[in-house]
Amino acid sequence: AQSVAQPEDQVNVAEGNPLTVKCTYSVSGNPYLFWYVQYPNRGLQFLLKYITGDNLVKGSYGFEAEFNKSQTSFHLKKPSALVSDSALYFCAVRDTTGGSYIPTFGRGTSLIVHP
Amino acid sequence: EPEVTQTPSHQVTQMGQEVILRCVPISNHLYFYWYRQILGQKVEFLVSFYNNEISEKSEIFDDQFSVERPDGSNFTLKIRSTKLEDSAMYFCASRVSMGNEQFFGPGTRLTVL
Repeated sequence: AQSVAQPEDQVNVAEGNPLTVKCTYSVSGNPYLFWYVQYPNRGLQFLLKYITGDNLVKGSYGFEAEFNKSQTSFHLKKPSALVSDSALYFCAVRDTTGGSYIPTFGRGTSLIVHP
Repeated sequence: EPEVTQTPSHQVTQMGQEVILRCVPISNHLYFYWYRQILGQKVEFLVSFYNNEISEKSEIFDDQFSVERPDGSNFTLKIRSTKLEDSAMYFCASRVSMGNEQFFGPGTRLTVL
């Protein structure tokens, strides 16, 4: 079985400061991991993914995420937050074993960047 | 840049009525999905569709739900007899192949009264 947890409902950060949005996962095999962002009244937009290779993955809009197998985490980070980064962020995981190709999404974390 | 489109953006219906939500996936994509998101809750998988048949479905996708790709471009979700608890945002998604990320449409907000 696969699951994903986003322990924070909301993250507040000042513009220009670094941000981290946390995600932990549980899978039986190896994970495929994804981050999506949802702006108000919009669908989910893909930010980045980890499939294999380097643990640090770089994505759209200056975001990056680090795959940590020992901690089963895939936290989303950005060195300097922008007010326009304020949105809902979803982590998703897919187990590469078990036969299902469907990712499980987390509950989402609301990121609020203050001017 | 190609994108997934969905119509209508908002659908209001009476309980017990049938609704059809429409999606146009990205043209070269082969895998299609419906998800729903009840207000304030997480995104939930409903169904996946490949090669003109359902490949996976969740427990939510019961006999009241059906999907169809009637003409090679549209991908529809039908709810035969809507219930109050069907009120949610419904997202269509598509992807070109396995292992690639999904591209989501803007969603249809369904309100069942």
